Amino acid sequence: DTAVSQTPKYLVTQMGNDKSIKCEQNLGHDTMYWYKQDSKKFLKIMFSYNNKELIINETVPNRFSPKSPDKAHLNLHINSLELGDSAVYFCASSKRGKGNEQFFGPGTRLTVL
Amino acid sequence: GENVEQHPSTLSVQEGDSAVIKCTYSDSASNYFPWYKQELGKRPQLIIDIRSNVGEKKDQRIAVTLNKTAKHFSLHITETQPEDSAVYFCAASDNTDKLIFGTGTRLQVFP
Repeated sequence: DTAVSQTPKYLVTQMGNDKSIKCEQNLGHDTMYWYKQDSKKFLKIMFSYNNKELIINETVPNRFSPKSPDKAHLNLHINSLELGDSAVYFCASSKRGKGNEQFFGPGTRLTVL
Repeated sequence: GENVEQHPSTLSVQEGDSAVIKCTYSDSASNYFPWYKQELGKRPQLIIDIRSNVGEKKDQRIAVTLNKTAKHFSLHITETQPEDSAVYFCAASDNTDKLIFGTGTRLQVFP
């Protein structure tokens, strides 16, 4: 069974479009995250939600809006896509609390043309 | 905020040799240090972690050491195999859920 899943796996779109990436976890975790991995493989946290509540919001442009309808889902909506948004976006989840393993989804490769 | 530096950025070893990857962190409040392995085109996966109340931890061919005074921690892989080839990331976390990742080390193990 897939623990953390993301859709779509690949997303190719034009500059200026709006797109969404969906994430679901079936691990019963309370905390979910979005990471961005750029072409140099740097992994940077973007957002973290704890039981549907936003707890980490790194300096991410407000074109990026996470939404958590319930604690098993964390979606990422991106408005007015720019070339620099091209990256692999990973969703992750963990148990609530400090120092718990984060389980990553398979990633969504976003290409903005 | 926390800053994690990782060296080297690339590492090539012969099969059977050992590999060592080093990280330093800046925030003395950090107390959790995981290591993730990311194979080409795949997701990062935890391979080992260490907490600040422990100096060393081993799991078969991999070990992690932590020097809190110097704010260093290292990953040691012994008897490397071609399937160890991947990008390895260290990370540090303080008393929050936030993980700050190092810049990654691309390890290549040649048969």
